Order: sequence, then structure tokens, then C-alpha cells
Amino acid sequence: QLQLQESGPGLVKPSETLSLTCTVSGDSISSSTYYWGWIRQPPGKGLEWIGTIYYSGSTYYNPSLKSRVTFSLDTSRTQFSLELSSVTAADTAVYYCARHTAGYYDSSGYPMYYFDYWGQGTLVTVSS
Amino acid sequence: DIVMTQSPDSLAVSLGERATINCKSSQSVLYSSNNKNCLAWYQQKPGQPPKVLIYWASTRESGVPDRFSGSGSGTEFTLTISSLQAEDVAVYYCQQYYSTPSLFGQGTKLEIK
Repeated sequence: QLQLQESGPGLVKPSETLSLTCTVSGDSISSSTYYWGWIRQPPGKGLEWIGTIYYSGSTYYNPSLKSRVTFSLDTSRTQFSLELSSVTAADTAVYYCARHTAGYYDSSGYPMYYFDYWGQGTLVTVSS
Repeated sequence: DIVMTQSPDSLAVSLGERATINCKSSQSVLYSSNNKNCLAWYQQKPGQPPKVLIYWASTRESGVPDRFSGSGSGTEFTLTISSLQAEDVAVYYCQQYYSTPSLFGQGTKLEIK
């Protein structure tokens, strides 16, 4: 059974960099069948797609966050990671990692699909 | 960006009754190559991650009870729960995966009347 687990600091200071890791078990992140993504949810609010990474290292970011986001992956440790720089209180949210199947690409060449497996999420608070 | 707008924001339905949630996209999400709509529905219970219920607007995910159904095309979509059960209390989100950025609706909170 595929499982995803987010980990990282629960508190980050304003202007610093938020770093999270997602550890995948029960499947390989080296598979060409899947993409791996990050989605966040501010407390009491809706869902925001942050971006997606492929086993090859190709990355696809939400344009609204692109200037501050960096994804990476470590296939040997079945982990992928998120870094979000210059954080503010507006970045306070539950951060989820998730998977979607390679099924469709939009007109910009971005891989798009629904997310079928999600981690439990981790709350990151930005505060001094 | 294709903006997703759900209605209503909240809904109270009696046990055993039908619940209907609507989702409208600012542009069509119909993928011409397969004539399917790039629209998914999720259920999120308190303290849990979202769980996909429906994709391609009307395809039920494996293991999802058949009281959940999705319909619609183009820009207007509906999630229907045919007979509300207590365990269906949750927030429901639609998501378009037609174009970047993939946006979600604001959510509809479903409660028992």
C-alpha cells in the first residue's frame, strides 16, 4: 500500500526558507508512471497546488509561487522535497505531498491529473 | 487561470436525502482528445487529507460508494450523494486539471440537518 509522509520543521521565521521532505513507501518514485506533488491548505481555507516533480527531475511550479519554490528528489531514499524561500505569515498552512498518474498534459506541456494518494499533511507556521 | 466556483458554500441535508454540490469553471475544461472533462471531486474530513471521489467528471474512484456520482460537462458540474450517510459529513472540493495552474474550488461544507 502506497504511503506518503511529510516531515520538517513546524515553525519557520519570516523571511527564512521553509523546507519539507516527503518520504514515499510502498512504491518507487523512480517510476515513469507517476508525478509527485505538493499542495497546501491555509488553516480553515481551501487547497492550493504548489507544483509537481517527475522522477527525471523535471519540475512544474504554480506560476504564483514559481519565484520562491524549488523541488528536488532523492530516488535512492524515495524522498522528494520542497523549499519555499522568503516566507511570510501567508505561507502558514498544512502542506501535503501527493501523487498523480502521468495521464494528460496541458497546452503548456505541464503534466496534469487528479491526486490519488496524499500524505497526512504537516502544519507549518510562519512566525517570529 | 481557470477559476473554480462552488455552490453553495455550505449545505445541510437530512440523513437518507439527496445532496447536490455544484462547481462552475470560468472556462471549459473539456479535453477534446478524449472528449472528457478534466474535473475531479474530493472529500475532506476534519484532520484528514482530501480523498478523491470522482475524476474525469463522472468516473468513480475505486472503492468509492456508488451513492457518489458526478455529472456535467464544459463549465458546469455536479457532485450528487444519492442518500446521505452520517460518514459523508465533510468538505467537498472540485479541481480542474485542464490547465496550469490546477485550481480547486473554495469548498462546500456538508452537514446533517
